[in-house]
Amino acid sequence: DAKTTQPPSMDCAEGRAANLPCNHSTISGNEYVYWYRQIHSQGPQYIIHGLKNNETNEMASLIITEDRKSSTLILPHATLRDTAVYYCIDTGAGSYQLTFGKGTKLSVIP
Amino acid sequence: EAGVAQSPRYKIIEKRQSVAFWCNPISGHATLYWYQQILGQGPKLLIQFQNNGVVDDSQLPKDRFSAERLKGVDSTLKIQPAKLEDSAVYLCASSLQGEVNSPLHFGNGTRLTVT
Repeated sequence: DAKTTQPPSMDCAEGRAANLPCNHSTISGNEYVYWYRQIHSQGPQYIIHGLKNNETNEMASLIITEDRKSSTLILPHATLRDTAVYYCIDTGAGSYQLTFGKGTKLSVIP
Repeated sequence: EAGVAQSPRYKIIEKRQSVAFWCNPISGHATLYWYQQILGQGPKLLIQFQNNGVVDDSQLPKDRFSAERLKGVDSTLKIQPAKLEDSAVYLCASSLQGEVNSPLHFGNGTRLTVT
């Protein structure tokens, strides 16, 4: 079973920042936080991952709280193409397997 | 780089028939995964290969599902005989090393409908 908790759905206005929260209540010290998204009829797409520090790449920013019990994925300027299901996942350093929950369905509205 | 290739894209079969799915991972990726995604749920891992050896098949229903990765490159997942509850999207993924800093790259899957 998935170890993370996410809201089932969120809306975001096009051009605004989308902030997707995730709770990692049972995360351990050596587990990474990963975010993937799945656009309709496609396979999941890797977005970003981190351990303790905040991370940024060309797609998004990842904010991890100091106690690592929660994280936020930030899409700085959401477009209609960002409409998808977003999954946050804890995964261990020793056994890299992804256990997906149901994710958050993000709808970007014109 | 070319992505993970899967075929066929869609398959419709009757229950008790057999079916096979094919996956070609990204060139050079040592680790290959098969996932099952039932409608409305997140993907569930079925089996993980490292090169041509099985790392984890604990969630593979071995009475009807089988998978192989000959020569450590392409992989085939087979279901025989199929049941109605096998209707799902079957996703193949690959990663460079199967380690935590080696993200998975997914194909677009094969949608199986069992009638």
